[in-house]
Amino acid sequence: AQKITQTQPGMFVQEKEAVTLDCTYDTSDPSYGLFWYKQPSSGEMIFLIYQGSYDQQNATEGRYSLNFQKARKSANLVISASQLGDSAMYFCAMREGRFNAGNMLTFGGGTRLMVKP
Amino acid sequence: DSGVTQTPKHLITATGQRVTLRCSPRSGDLSVYWYQQSLDQGLQFLIQYYNGEERAKGNILERFSAQQFPDLHSELNLSSLELGDSALYFCASSVVVGGSTDTQYFGPGTRLTVL
Repeated sequence: AQKITQTQPGMFVQEKEAVTLDCTYDTSDPSYGLFWYKQPSSGEMIFLIYQGSYDQQNATEGRYSLNFQKARKSANLVISASQLGDSAMYFCAMREGRFNAGNMLTFGGGTRLMVKP
Repeated sequence: DSGVTQTPKHLITATGQRVTLRCSPRSGDLSVYWYQQSLDQGLQFLIQYYNGEERAKGNILERFSAQQFPDLHSELNLSSLELGDSALYFCASSVVVGGSTDTQYFGPGTRLTVL
């Protein structure tokens, strides 16, 4: 079974509007972390936001927020006020085990976001 | 800039050859991870080193090997290259112990093309 599923291969959003990128995960480990990365066309992987499984509140970082629904095993990324520079591939990733175990990341297939002017 | 450096940025070689990819982690990070990104397999974990020791192995071929040196830089060696090894190879680093998060910061990647 897929551990990380991103069901939207591609999405369009109008500039200045908000957009939600979906991510569902599958794990039986009670300790895990969820990460979102952005990969522009230049290729680098840029860390955006992190949510730990025991975190009580949804993570936020500037225009990025994570809609964490533990019971549904979903960790959707919300980008507010989209900008042209947000056009990129977005990857959801999961680390199983405690944060200080330093375990590997498992990635979803990614969502290509295109922002229209 | 993540603070993780990778060289070279691009590498073009022929089938059957051997190449070495180099990675320097962020200052203070003890753990180095290697990932491969290809069109058909997506992003896959290859191998992890922590403070010089191999810590975890993923979908790494026997033709591939890695090591982490005392100064914590790491090298990924790919030998007997095949066309299917063409991919973007990322190195990432994280603190692991002593940090409040284990966020992995990625280098810019090495794009390998096997002709």
